[in-house]
Amino acid sequence: NAGVMQNPRHLVRRRGQEARLRCSPMKGHSHVYWYRQLPEEGLKFMVYLQKENIIDESGMPKERFSAEFPKEGPSILRIQQVVRGDSAAYFCASSPGLVRTGELFFGEGSRLTVL
Amino acid sequence: GQQLNQSPQSMFIQEGEDVSMNCTSSSIFNTWLWYKQDPGEGPVLLIALYKAGELTSNGRLTAQFGITRKDSFLNISASIPSDVGIYFCAGQLSGSGNTGKLIFGQGTTLQVKP
Repeated sequence: NAGVMQNPRHLVRRRGQEARLRCSPMKGHSHVYWYRQLPEEGLKFMVYLQKENIIDESGMPKERFSAEFPKEGPSILRIQQVVRGDSAAYFCASSPGLVRTGELFFGEGSRLTVL
Repeated sequence: GQQLNQSPQSMFIQEGEDVSMNCTSSSIFNTWLWYKQDPGEGPVLLIALYKAGELTSNGRLTAQFGITRKDSFLNISASIPSDVGIYFCAGQLSGSGNTGKLIFGQGTTLQVKP
C-alpha cells in the first residue's frame, strides 16, 4: 500500500512565478492536510481538505495561497507570485477520516526554493 | 495562537546513553504525539497518547501524557546511532471545532556519538 506521495520533491522558482505542489493521499484516505516547515522550525498547519471541500484554512496566508482537493486527482497547493519567504518544505498528510486520534501519515515533502 | 514549547532544542550524546525531552503548553490537548524526522524526509509517528496520565512504550521509546494535559515527555533508552534525527512533539487541541489539525513543537535535534 503506497504511502502519501508528493511531487515534485524539489522545486525552484524565481520571484513572481507560480508554484504548484501535488499530493496523492494514501489509498482509502479522503482527508488531506498541508503543513509548512521553515528551516530549523517545526511544522505549521496550513489547510485541511476533504474531497471537493476546504474544511479549515485558518493557517493559510490570505493572499497568493490556495488549495484544492478535487473529486478526481491529487490535492494541489498553489502559490502565486512567489517571494523568497515562501522558501520552505511543504508537507502533505492524509487520514482515512476525521482525525480525533491525531495520527496523520506524512509524505516526504516538497522543498520549494525561491531565487 | 497556540504554542508548544519543546526542550531541549538540541542534544549531543554518547551511544548507549538515555535521552529525555519534553513539551509544555498553556493549552489543554486531548492527544499528544511524538514524531521523528530524518533529513530530507517527512515526520514519522513514534508514539500517540490519548489519555491524561497515560504512559506508553514502543521498544526503547517511552512517552507520557501529563496529568494536566498540558505536557508530555519522551524518553529514549540506550541510544544508538540511528536514533539521530529531529524529534517533534505535536498536540491536538481539545474542545469543539477541532478539525484534527496538529500543533507542533519546535523540535529537538538529537546527535549520537558512536
